[in-house]
Amino acid sequence: AQTVTQSQPEMSVQEAETVTLSCTYDTSESDYYLFWYKQPPSRQMILVIRQEAYKQQNATENRFSVNFQKAAKSFSLKISDSQLGDAAMYFCAYRSALGGNRDDKIIFGKGTRLHILP
Amino acid sequence: EAQVTQNPRYLITVTGKKLTVTCSQNMNHEYMSWYRQDPGLGLRQIYYSMNVEVTDKGDVPEGYKVSRKEKRNFPLILESPSPNQTSLYFCASRRTPTTNQPQHFGDGTRLSIL
Repeated sequence: AQTVTQSQPEMSVQEAETVTLSCTYDTSESDYYLFWYKQPPSRQMILVIRQEAYKQQNATENRFSVNFQKAAKSFSLKISDSQLGDAAMYFCAYRSALGGNRDDKIIFGKGTRLHILP
Repeated sequence: EAQVTQNPRYLITVTGKKLTVTCSQNMNHEYMSWYRQDPGLGLRQIYYSMNVEVTDKGDVPEGYKVSRKEKRNFPLILESPSPNQTSLYFCASRRTPTTNQPQHFGDGTRLSIL
């Protein structure tokens, strides 16, 4: 079964600095999706960035970028120029892309709480 | 506006009193699922539905029921709630089970079972 591990339960970063959140996953599949979700105090689950495993290029969304290392099964999130609004719980997630008559459910890590220091 | 709507947002109730959390999506999505979120555990899938009248257990289905009589609705039913079901619950949907499009989440329901 697939697993997602976030080894940092909490992190802090100074406003305007850069921070990297770690995520590793375990799978025997070759085709899958990886996600980072943000959960602010409002509790909404907000998709930050998505990576398709067959794409070698790392995904970027404005100040958010990933370092996707398929061989190492690593998917870290880099937040540049951290802002107070980035304070949230961040979840790394995996989803198979095999398809067929099966539940390609999203598997979540346990989360990393990010604090932004003014 | 495309959205997944859950109700209620908050509920405090007592052990054994049946309750239903509703979930509705307006995007004609085939796939819907329920998760619970607990501190230190992330989100875990309770039940999912690949289409109307097709439901199946996720990782933590004990104590829950679901139904999918219509495409847009996927209620979560707790027949006899217990304190260990106190949690934050999310409903989610996506266009098809295999789509590469992202999943949409509701805003969450905070349940407290006393």
